[in-house]
Amino acid sequence: GAVVSQHPSRVICKSGTSVKIECRSLDFQATTMFWYRQFPKQSLMLMATSNEGSKATYEQGVEKDKFLINHASLTLSTLTVTSAHPEDSSFYICRPWAGLSHQPQHFGDGTRLSIL
Amino acid sequence: GQNIDQPTEMTATEGAIVQINCTYQTSGFNGLFWYQQHAGEAPTFLSYNVLDGLEEKGRFSSFLSRSKGYSYLLLKELQMKDSASYLCASLRNRKLIWGLGTSLAVNP
Repeated sequence: GAVVSQHPSRVICKSGTSVKIECRSLDFQATTMFWYRQFPKQSLMLMATSNEGSKATYEQGVEKDKFLINHASLTLSTLTVTSAHPEDSSFYICRPWAGLSHQPQHFGDGTRLSIL
Repeated sequence: GQNIDQPTEMTATEGAIVQINCTYQTSGFNGLFWYQQHAGEAPTFLSYNVLDGLEEKGRFSSFLSRSKGYSYLLLKELQMKDSASYLCASLRNRKLIWGLGTSLAVNP
């Protein structure tokens, strides 16, 4: 069964809307959460890394005030795209990690965000 | 740099065997992952290698040589549904370093 739950799977909304994406680890405690973005026919790009109870670390070129990450518990992290614009349209994917390198690294099913 | 290299595209025939190669930087290495990604979907985990050698899992096998910074994914008895992108990723200091993926087309 699924070990990671990501919702919603698809969002279509108007420019200027804020969108919240949830990622839950179902049967393990995720001390670290990785958020990725993938544009069509491009590779996964890491956006930010968050540790439970701490502020997220953002990759170069990713605006922290635009992509708000909350990782308040060991099983839930959220990514909020604030005041989304058409160029934010992408496939957003989470990857929770329990801190053990030998564990299979499972992803959420992804959220396809389309901003009109 | 953080280079991880794999071929961009490959084509194979249904029922055949295909090998997808991946090379990576060895510094800080903690493991090598292979993922399958169908268009419009998130990647799904295929294999994880941290020691040298071949790991077999059904029709898919993955090989690792740490000294050479080299891995391959071997797909046997290819099926049409195996047409997808195959992503190689090395785990370095908790971060997954991704290759750009190999787009595999399986033809009848």
